[in-house]
Amino acid sequence: AQTVTQSQPEMSVQEAETVTLSCTYDTSESDYYLFWYKQPPSRQMILVIRQEAYKQQNATENRFSVNFQKAAKSFSLKISDSQLGDAAMYFCAYPGNAGNMLTFGGGTRLMVKP
Amino acid sequence: GAGVSQSPRYKVAKRGQDVALRCDPISGHVSLFWYQQALGQGPEFLTYFQNEAQLDKSGLPSDRFFAERPEGSVSTLKIQRTQQEDSAVYLCASSLAGHNTGELFFGEGSRLTVL
Repeated sequence: AQTVTQSQPEMSVQEAETVTLSCTYDTSESDYYLFWYKQPPSRQMILVIRQEAYKQQNATENRFSVNFQKAAKSFSLKISDSQLGDAAMYFCAYPGNAGNMLTFGGGTRLMVKP
Repeated sequence: GAGVSQSPRYKVAKRGQDVALRCDPISGHVSLFWYQQALGQGPEFLTYFQNEAQLDKSGLPSDRFFAERPEGSVSTLKIQRTQQEDSAVYLCASSLAGHNTGELFFGEGSRLTVL
């Protein structure tokens, strides 16, 4: 069974500072995608960033970047210059071998202090 | 519409009642997924449709749960004889094609409370 683990139930960051959210996953596949989703209090999940496992380069989307360590099966999310609007639940997700559904981690609640 | 629409947003049911939750995906999206999200946890997969075909229902927790998408667009998740453990937010998501490379677009969810 595929598992996705987020070891930090809650994280706190000062506005304008940088924070890193951790994620590890288990897979026997060599080519796959990984995702970080954000779920604000309104509950609508939105995609933050996506990483293709065969790419050496870490994905970057504006203030969001990943540190993808394929051998270690680690996929952390770095948020730079944190803003109040970044406060939300963040979920790491992996499609799984069947490719038909995403397996989500348990989530990390990010709080941003003004 | 512009996004995935779910209704009702909130539903309170007495134990033993049947409920139906509706999902209207983004127009043209082939794939549709249902997830169950308990309070403070990550979403758990329930079922997956490609057009009108239900290709995976391995996540449905019991035979009281049933989902359909008869015309390959709107989907309904039905829960019969609701139990307290069914209380959760039910999320619907759609994607343009197979999802394992592409983005899933989520609705705001239907929060079910079973008394």
